Amino acid sequence: EAGVVQSPRYKIIEKKQPVAFWCNPISGHNTLYWYLQNLGQGPELLIRYENEEAVDDSQLPKDRFSAERLKGVDSTLKIQPAELGDSAVYLCASSLEGATGELFFGEGSRLTVL
Amino acid sequence: GESVGLHLPTLSVQEGDNSIINCAYSNSASDYFIWYKQESGKGPQFIIDIRSNMDKRQGQRVTVLLNKTVKHLSLQIAATQPGDSAVYFCAEIPGNTGKLIFGQGTTLQVKP
Repeated sequence: EAGVVQSPRYKIIEKKQPVAFWCNPISGHNTLYWYLQNLGQGPELLIRYENEEAVDDSQLPKDRFSAERLKGVDSTLKIQPAELGDSAVYLCASSLEGATGELFFGEGSRLTVL
Repeated sequence: GESVGLHLPTLSVQEGDNSIINCAYSNSASDYFIWYKQESGKGPQFIIDIRSNMDKRQGQRVTVLLNKTVKHLSLQIAATQPGDSAVYFCAEIPGNTGKLIFGQGTTLQVKP
């Protein structure tokens, strides 16, 4: 069974440019998460979806970050405009509904903002 | 604010020895705890979990211990192998929030 797929794996952009990350969760997983991981730190939740609905986006900086999960499957996370401090790894994860502890993570998208 | 943290940033062990990775949590409302392993360049991978009504749970070569009195969680890895080299995170879910909160991680280095 395929795991969580993310793209791109690496992205280098200049500040003020936009960037988008894509995630395809494990088939049948209704819950999808986007996490931010800074170097040497644990992942921090940005947003959690139950199907198409964002049930927790309290940690998403809404002035520049946006996310969507159309049709309740794939999801995209966008940053516009990017700032230097946005350099990090953006992790997507999915889980079965209600299985809030057992998340399946993708390999992440490493963003470098110059 | 509430947080989950680990005692040591790095742990170095000899191959074949047992490893013990510790974690202290501060939220007494947390009732579900999870250990994740993250290898270089990969996303975290679920290892084992434990609920607050238990004090010990065993998996394959791993054991998680929970001491609610002192808010302490540990992961024991038996007969540590080179493939166990990774960063280990403890995580908690406070109450009914459904939000998984990660600590800062301990890097386990296995010496051959």
